[in-house]
Amino acid sequence: GAVVSQHPSRVICKSGTSVKIECRSLDFQATTMFWYRQFPKQSLMLMATSNEGSKATYEQGVEKDKFLINHASLTLSTLTVTSAHPEDSSFYICSARDPWQGSYTFGSGTRLTVV
Amino acid sequence: GIQVEQSPPDLILQEGANSTLRCNFSDSVNNLQWFHQNPWGQLINLFYIPSGTKQNGRLSATTVATERYSLLYISSSQTTDSGVYFCAVEPPSGTYKYIFGTGTRLKVLA
Repeated sequence: GAVVSQHPSRVICKSGTSVKIECRSLDFQATTMFWYRQFPKQSLMLMATSNEGSKATYEQGVEKDKFLINHASLTLSTLTVTSAHPEDSSFYICSARDPWQGSYTFGSGTRLTVV
Repeated sequence: GIQVEQSPPDLILQEGANSTLRCNFSDSVNNLQWFHQNPWGQLINLFYIPSGTKQNGRLSATTVATERYSLLYISSSQTTDSGVYFCAVEPPSGTYKYIFGTGTRLKVLA
């Protein structure tokens, strides 16, 4: 099946700095990827849809200037958390649709801690 | 938008017991998947099941799309089954977005 690789798995950064998270589809081309956020003991909330070669589509309430998404190639989407603050600390996870099976495959997630 | 509710929210079982997890959704859906989130956060795909019944070892799932619910059965539970179980649905909007349910937190005791 399809494999999605996400890096880094864990990152600690200082308040005010920016952090980039990468999401790669390893054995297929993903014209669309999705970014989710999960707070402790809560469900996953869709943040945005990443579209290859065009602007991302953000869900209501998600600050597009804080969470910059770039989908420059058919296998790579990046999420940059800009000017991070402690309230941005969360678990971020990306996904892509398996073109052969129609199901969705998820990356292993990135645990961001802003200190 | 579509609402996805799971029950029960929490479940504690003795090893060897059976359980049924439920996922109710408020509107028609194109797709539905069940996931197990392990303690490290990784989402493991259990079933891709927009309709019908599937089985994989001790796990099986049934989706009745016309009645807007899906069930996940776990038989002879093991401690490694512990974690959070999510169902996720794709509304018929053509955008391939997945909406996650509220989750069921399962703990299996030895």
